[in-house]
Amino acid sequence: GAGVSQSPSNKVTEKGKDVELRCDPISGHTALYWYRQSLGQGLEFLIYFQGNSAPDKSGLPSDRFSAERTGGSVSTLTIQRTQQEDSAVYLCASSSPPGSLTDTQYFGPGTRLTVL
Amino acid sequence: AQSVTQLDSQVPVFEEAPVELRCNYSSSVSVYLFWYVQYPNQGLQLLLKYLSGSTLVESINGFEAEFNKSQTSFHLRKPSVHISDTAEYFCAVTKLGGATNKLIFGTGTLLAVQP
Repeated sequence: GAGVSQSPSNKVTEKGKDVELRCDPISGHTALYWYRQSLGQGLEFLIYFQGNSAPDKSGLPSDRFSAERTGGSVSTLTIQRTQQEDSAVYLCASSSPPGSLTDTQYFGPGTRLTVL
Repeated sequence: AQSVTQLDSQVPVFEEAPVELRCNYSSSVSVYLFWYVQYPNQGLQLLLKYLSGSTLVESINGFEAEFNKSQTSFHLRKPSVHISDTAEYFCAVTKLGGATNKLIFGTGTLLAVQP
């Protein structure tokens, strides 16, 4: 099977515009995670989905950030009114449910977001 | 809360030399420990993990890490590195038995293998 895929691979936007980043998890993986990798902050957790619900949104840096997951599969991370500090690589990972024997997180290639 | 410290941001080493990448963690609860590797222009890949049992874990490409609970460390070692091992290595933890397995990462160590 295919791994985690993310689109677009690169996104350049102007400050103040909204962006949507997409993640397709590995088929059958009910857990989905978003992380952000930036020069200043390293790798940071953003949000966790189990199925379509998000029991842990503790890493979202502001209310400009939101995410949803539909059908227990594809997830979209939306950043409204982008700021230059939002520039980073956004990584998605998926796994079996926490506590299952094979709950290793598998990462996608990421979306590099540049806010001008 | 958990935290991870990777003291070395960059480790230069000659090919076929041994290497150790250091990782220390802080947690008030038991944790699972991971090393992920990111090759140039590629995504994160799991290198190895410690969940329970033997404190020495190995990867398929010759790396090993030892969980030391008393020193709260999980250092990564390889007895002889190759040019192809050049990559950034991230140590990570997650809370054992937590409702979510969110990973807390260290800042990464760039392993630069020179001929």
